[in-house]
Amino acid sequence: DQQVKQNSPSLSVQEGRISILNCDYTNSMFDYFLWYKKYPAEGPTFLISISSIKDKNEDGRFTVFLNKSAKHLSLHIVPSQPGDSAVYFCAASAPIQGAQKLVFGQGTRLTINP
Amino acid sequence: KAGVTQTPRYLIKTRGQQVTLSCSPISGHRSVSWYQQTPGQGLQFLFEYFSETQRNKGNFPGRFSGRQFSNSRSEMNVSTLELGDSALYLCASSAVGTGNTIYFGEGSWLTVV
Repeated sequence: DQQVKQNSPSLSVQEGRISILNCDYTNSMFDYFLWYKKYPAEGPTFLISISSIKDKNEDGRFTVFLNKSAKHLSLHIVPSQPGDSAVYFCAASAPIQGAQKLVFGQGTRLTINP
Repeated sequence: KAGVTQTPRYLIKTRGQQVTLSCSPISGHRSVSWYQQTPGQGLQFLFEYFSETQRNKGNFPGRFSGRQFSNSRSEMNVSTLELGDSALYLCASSAVGTGNTIYFGEGSWLTVV
């Protein structure tokens, strides 16, 4: 049962334009959502997060939107830069006795074209 | 502030052997968790430790085990290695409580031949 889904395996965007990465989840107990960027053979790098009590969080070029009724979140990158080319994972966590457990989507490979 | 440190970065083992991977969390972080990444299964949660106690465990066989020391450093062990255990093993740490960001190390690449 895939509780977190990223339905687009890949996305290609022109440099300077907006990149929008999408993520859907099924578990209504998830209360914290994160986006990570990952290069091959490296660990995921934290980008931005959002709590379920918010619907938007912004950090520089990165903005995450959360639509709880639709169980959907998205990451917007504006403007997109060549260095943004990587695999992006969304992840979600639910409070389980304070334990920290992330459920990841399958990832979306973002390619920024010059 | 140093990040999450994992050792070794790369290793090759033979089927049937066992392996131990080490992780030093970010200073002050008491929660340490482990993940496995494979091309087919993506990033899968293995287990999480806090104050030397395993708080949560993923759906992996008993060959996968771990522990945490009093200084929050953690190790994971895989016994009787199988070819399918070849993967990138990631350690992550976070401060106490939910809603805290989880930071990952660079990972340990394990190849089983």
